[in-house]
Amino acid sequence: QVHLVQSGDEVKKPGASVKVSCRASGYTFSDYGISWVRQAPGRGLEWMGWVSAYNDDTNYAQKFQGRVTMTTDASTKTGYMELRSLTYDDTAVYYCGRGSYYDYWGQGTLVTVSS
Amino acid sequence: EIVLTQSPGTLSLSPGERATLSCRASQSVSSSYLGWYQQKPGQAPRLLFYATSSRATGIPDRFSGSGSGTDFTLTISRLEPEDFAVYYCQHYDGSRTFGQGTKVEIK
Repeated sequence: QVHLVQSGDEVKKPGASVKVSCRASGYTFSDYGISWVRQAPGRGLEWMGWVSAYNDDTNYAQKFQGRVTMTTDASTKTGYMELRSLTYDDTAVYYCGRGSYYDYWGQGTLVTVSS
Repeated sequence: EIVLTQSPGTLSLSPGERATLSCRASQSVSSSYLGWYQQKPGQAPRLLFYATSSRATGIPDRFSGSGSGTDFTLTISRLEPEDFAVYYCQHYDGSRTFGQGTKVEIK
């Protein structure tokens, strides 16, 4: 069966970067893109962007352009999301999701930005 | 960028009642690219519908999705205790925005 397993929770200082991984199993990795969605405490879902697992094409939300990089590694069937220049407002749970509409999700990674 | 507005913000209902949730787009969108998700506290969202009315695997038939153009609806015919949650719509063509969510709470 399909699983997306994300890396563990992180604590970062303002100005730092974070890189979250999403390891896929149970399907042909290159058949589906990986999207990243975040959720700040008590808030709704916010789409951050998408990366193709076929050719690494990306589509980033305008809000994160220049500050986010999404990549994949076919050899390990893993997607990555790196967010730079972190501020307190980036404290959130970060999720990966499979495909155009997200029929499978990772368990979430809490990123806390704290001095 | 397409903005999705969900209403109401909160829906207070009793088990067994019917729930009707609205998702309105700021401009016409293809019904092929409109989805609905359910999220419970501390959990990742779960896909309910894609392409407006195509039910995801394992979703009971008391849930239904409909709509076109700018107006889309998620209906739960008879609320079960496990249906009390937050529901989000999403447009997934181009910039993939979510609505702000509707919370269905127990009255």
